[in-house]
Amino acid sequence: DIQMSQSPSSVSASVGDRVIITCRASQGVNTWLAWYQQKPGKAPKLLIYAASRLQTGAPSRFSGSGSGTDFTLTISSLQPEDFATYFCQQANTFPLLTFGGGTKVEMK
Amino acid sequence: QEQLVQSGSEVKKPGASVTISCKASGYTFTKYPIHWVRQAPGQGLEWMGWINTNSGNPTYAQDFTGRFVFSLDTSVQTAYLQISSLKPGDIGVYYCATQIASAGALDYWGPGTLVTVSS
Repeated sequence: DIQMSQSPSSVSASVGDRVIITCRASQGVNTWLAWYQQKPGKAPKLLIYAASRLQTGAPSRFSGSGSGTDFTLTISSLQPEDFATYFCQQANTFPLLTFGGGTKVEMK
Repeated sequence: QEQLVQSGSEVKKPGASVTISCKASGYTFTKYPIHWVRQAPGQGLEWMGWINTNSGNPTYAQDFTGRFVFSLDTSVQTAYLQISSLKPGDIGVYYCATQIASAGALDYWGPGTLVTVSS
């Protein structure tokens, strides 16, 4: 099975900061990587799919990059509504999926 | 518009069973898979498996075999998750989700169903 690890597990940042979250797969997943945002009490929301494709409706300050085993999610200028938990998910074995452990973006 | 609506919160005693429903609307139900994802309190997302809505064939993740059953009623565009012999470790929010337009990603999610197991 492919394992997904995220780092950091939490990050403290301020509005306007650039935030980078990384996700590593235990084996190559090509660009079959998605990123989700989850706020408390809500379902996850898709932000990025195919490693770098912005989901319709997602703000352009979110971007994704990477291929193979190493990926990043970048928030170019953190906004108040971006304080949330972010999860990566591999789909190289779609429809068999694996999620990363999550990264909580907290207010500094 | 595409939407998944789930049944409401459940409180069950240990050893009981629970069935969660996930009703789809706004798209052709049998064209896209339904996935199930669990989130224990304060924890991350666990992929439980998926069901082929065309054939009805389910696939379970390793940790969700035996007590977990995925099923369908295509006449009402609804997927079901049944959990039997409930344990305290089953407490969490259960989400259904589907992938329609975003390759390899779950682009539509239900709101989640909270299952509490308590004596």
